Amino acid sequence: SSELTQDPVVSVAVGQTVRITCQGDSLRRYYASWYQQKPGQAPLLVIHGKNNRPSGIPDRFSGSSSGNTASLTITGAQAEDESDYYCNSRDSSGNQWVFGGGTKLTVL
Amino acid sequence: QVQLQQSGPGLVKPSQTLSLTCAISGDSVSSNSAAWNWIRQSPSRGLEWLGRTYYRSKWYNDYALSMRGRIAIDPDTSKNEFSLQLNSVTPEDTAVYYCARDLSATLHSWGQGTLVTVSS
Repeated sequence: SSELTQDPVVSVAVGQTVRITCQGDSLRRYYASWYQQKPGQAPLLVIHGKNNRPSGIPDRFSGSSSGNTASLTITGAQAEDESDYYCNSRDSSGNQWVFGGGTKLTVL
Repeated sequence: QVQLQQSGPGLVKPSQTLSLTCAISGDSVSSNSAAWNWIRQSPSRGLEWLGRTYYRSKWYNDYALSMRGRIAIDPDTSKNEFSLQLNSVTPEDTAVYYCARDLSATLHSWGQGTLVTVSS
């Protein structure tokens, strides 16, 4: 079982704001990274560290963290944001990587 | 820009060894700041980190607890690549396998993925 917990399904209307969360004890110590994955493709990093976006990721994607919960926020969701989103971080020992179970985002 | 190119067979028989290779361009497997990971994904297990190799004056490995005893991740400095070997496979090891570069505690770059099916 995953040490990071995500809601399996989240939906948002086009243009609205949505928050996808990730909970786990290790997030009290380590930042989460967030990945977008479309069918048949490898995961794509969208947020890492405190709130860092790799080059080419739209600024509507942002990250935050509080206590044992990390969040990915999409401000003004677009149809192309419909995807699976995964969080990941180190586990409590710091030597292993763990992933959340993923959130399927539907953009209505 | 770092690119990772995976290669290896897509079909492995039960009890045999799964072997995959990840060729690196744009970085060095001997980098003192990067680590080189294998991750797999299946409908039943989701994304599952398997392990990594990295160089910090000498070579190190970290492996997922669930994989210890049957996994090896090794660098090949002459070819600038790294490999995954998973022994004694069963149908539960059927998954898409990815290699990925870990830089500053983030999996920045991923290979294209290889579907490996374990079946006789």
